[in-house]
Amino acid sequence: GQQLNQSPQSMFIQEGEDVSMNCTSSSIFNTWLWYKQDPGEGPVLLIALYKAGELTSNGRLTAQFGITRKDSFLNISASIPSDVGIYFCAGQLDRGSTLGRLYFGRGTQLTVWP
Amino acid sequence: DGGITQSPKYLFRKEGQNVTLSCEQNLNHDAMYWYRQDPGQGLRLIYYSQIVNDFQKGDIAEGYSVSREKKESFPLTVTSAQKNPTAFYLCASSINRDRVTEAFFGQGTRLTVV
Repeated sequence: GQQLNQSPQSMFIQEGEDVSMNCTSSSIFNTWLWYKQDPGEGPVLLIALYKAGELTSNGRLTAQFGITRKDSFLNISASIPSDVGIYFCAGQLDRGSTLGRLYFGRGTQLTVWP
Repeated sequence: DGGITQSPKYLFRKEGQNVTLSCEQNLNHDAMYWYRQDPGQGLRLIYYSQIVNDFQKGDIAEGYSVSREKKESFPLTVTSAQKNPTAFYLCASSINRDRVTEAFFGQGTRLTVV
């Protein structure tokens, strides 16, 4: 299956710091989604991106759909302890894929120290 | 409230037994999905269904079976043929219309086979 390379694998930061993580692919995607997962729970959708170059914010979160359509990044500003969790990117291939067939990155584990 | 309900939250089974995981949604979504999550891994697609009475294999379908007799329900059976069934199982649904492919997840079922 498709490989989404998500980095970094883990981050340990202090409360108040900004965070940046990204996802890259060798194939062109027409959709990028970012999810957050708390321990023992299902992922929750944070941001959805549908157009190359699109920059979308959700509170302290900002995500962008890369111009090449092969990457996306997620920024979290002024982190707080409740930001702790695993962040996943997901994407849908532009061609040769069933509508709604998503591919997921391996996740970025975020730890925030008070 | 609209949402996706997975049950049970925790499930223990003896090796060699089949077990069925429940997933129900009242979001009126056409598409439903089953993912498997292992520690440090992304989400891997087991099966998906775009419409009632139709479903397709994902990347790791061996040892699993599904049915889609009702729009609201997409149960997953983990059979004795699945060599390593202990994992966290996530069900999701999406509307899949007008290019909108955002998937919404249930809370997951943690299956432990002993």
